[in-house]
Amino acid sequence: AQKVTQAQTEISVVEKEDVTLDCVYETRDTTYYLFWYKQPPSGELVFLIRRNSFDEQNEISGRYSWNFQKSTSSFNFTITASQVVDSAVYFCALKRGGETSGSRLTFGEGTQLTVNP
Amino acid sequence: KAGVTQTPRYLIKTRGQQVTLSCSPISGHRSVSWYQQTPGQGLQFLFEYFSETQRNKGNFPGRFSGRQFSNSRSEMNVSTLELGDSALYLCASTLGDTLAKNIQYFGAGTRLSVL
Repeated sequence: AQKVTQAQTEISVVEKEDVTLDCVYETRDTTYYLFWYKQPPSGELVFLIRRNSFDEQNEISGRYSWNFQKSTSSFNFTITASQVVDSAVYFCALKRGGETSGSRLTFGEGTQLTVNP
Repeated sequence: KAGVTQTPRYLIKTRGQQVTLSCSPISGHRSVSWYQQTPGQGLQFLFEYFSETQRNKGNFPGRFSGRQFSNSRSEMNVSTLELGDSALYLCASTLGDTLAKNIQYFGAGTRLSVL
């Protein structure tokens, strides 16, 4: 069975602070994919990043960075110099690997991030 | 290129009725997945359709069903609505299964309220 845990239900920061959202996953698969999505109040899930299980390189995209560590089964997301527009619910998700496994995502509970001016 | 389109955006129904939600995937995408989002259960996978065939199914009762048409558009149906079916229903489309194609893109959802 697959499981994703986002222990932080809500985080509140002041603008320009750095913030890290935690994600821990469980899977027995050797090939899998990890995702982060952002859900603003409008409801649409916006894709942020995908990582496959064979690629442990950290990634930076502007103010966003991701730290993938297989040894601790974690895929954490850091926003540097947060802005009010970053306020949203962020979801971590896990997908089985293999070309016949389908598209099913297992989501964590989500972390509500509020960035105050 | 247009994104994933879901209609309607909002629906109000009463217990016992049935409802049909529609999803148009991104052009060229062949896989469509449906998810239910509620405050209590979070985001849960309902089912996935690929080339008009159901490929994966989540743990939902038979009242929840879906189908996919030859143009990849998908519908989901909920019969005999219950109060607990009130939720945001999200549709996602994927180009394919390989590494280069397996990102799911989501629509804005249909918010269903059952009274």
